[in-house]
Amino acid sequence: AQSVTQLGSHVSVSEGALVLLRCNYSSSVPPYLFWYVQYPNQGLQLLLKYTSAATLVKGINGFEAEFKKSETSFHLTKPSAHMSDAAEYFCAVSEGAGNMLTFGGGTRLMVKP
Amino acid sequence: DGGITQSPKYLFRKEGQNVTLSCEQNLNHDAMYWYRQDPGQGLRLIYYSQIVNDFQKGDIAEGYSVSREKKESFPLTVTSAQKNPTAFYLCASSVNRFEAFFGQGTRLTVV
Repeated sequence: AQSVTQLGSHVSVSEGALVLLRCNYSSSVPPYLFWYVQYPNQGLQLLLKYTSAATLVKGINGFEAEFKKSETSFHLTKPSAHMSDAAEYFCAVSEGAGNMLTFGGGTRLMVKP
Repeated sequence: DGGITQSPKYLFRKEGQNVTLSCEQNLNHDAMYWYRQDPGQGLRLIYYSQIVNDFQKGDIAEGYSVSREKKESFPLTVTSAQKNPTAFYLCASSVNRFEAFFGQGTRLTVV
């Protein structure tokens, strides 16, 4: 069975600082991994995805994530936080037929001026 | 523009009422999903459908029902048997394992 754990339900950074949002997964087969962003009262928007090609994945808005099989991790990073990055971020894994996504509990990112 | 449309954006339900949330997609995706989102609990799968006229229960199907009579449509009914329906409901669709596309959500409140 697949599962996702996001460490830290809330993360606060200063504007211009490094953003690091942690995601660990478990999967019985090679996983597909995703990061989504959600702004208040909106749906989820795909930031980036890992589909067994390059282990370092670049996404939109300057975000990137690195797949580390040995650590079963897929942490999301951004070198310099902007105020507009304040949102909730979800990590998800897919392994089964029908694209069954399993989501982590989410991490709310706050950016201080 | 292709996408997923959920309606209404806000919905109020009285105790004992059934209400139906609409989800329509024009992406030609086979698979569609309904998720429930509560604060601090992430997204939980209610129902999913991989093909027309077929659907399966997710992790929290009790008190909900769905239909999939057309490829484009996957309405969710929140029945009176759902004792705590106040939540944000998200519909999604996908064609393969690569990603799911989400609607803008419906916020349901019991009054």
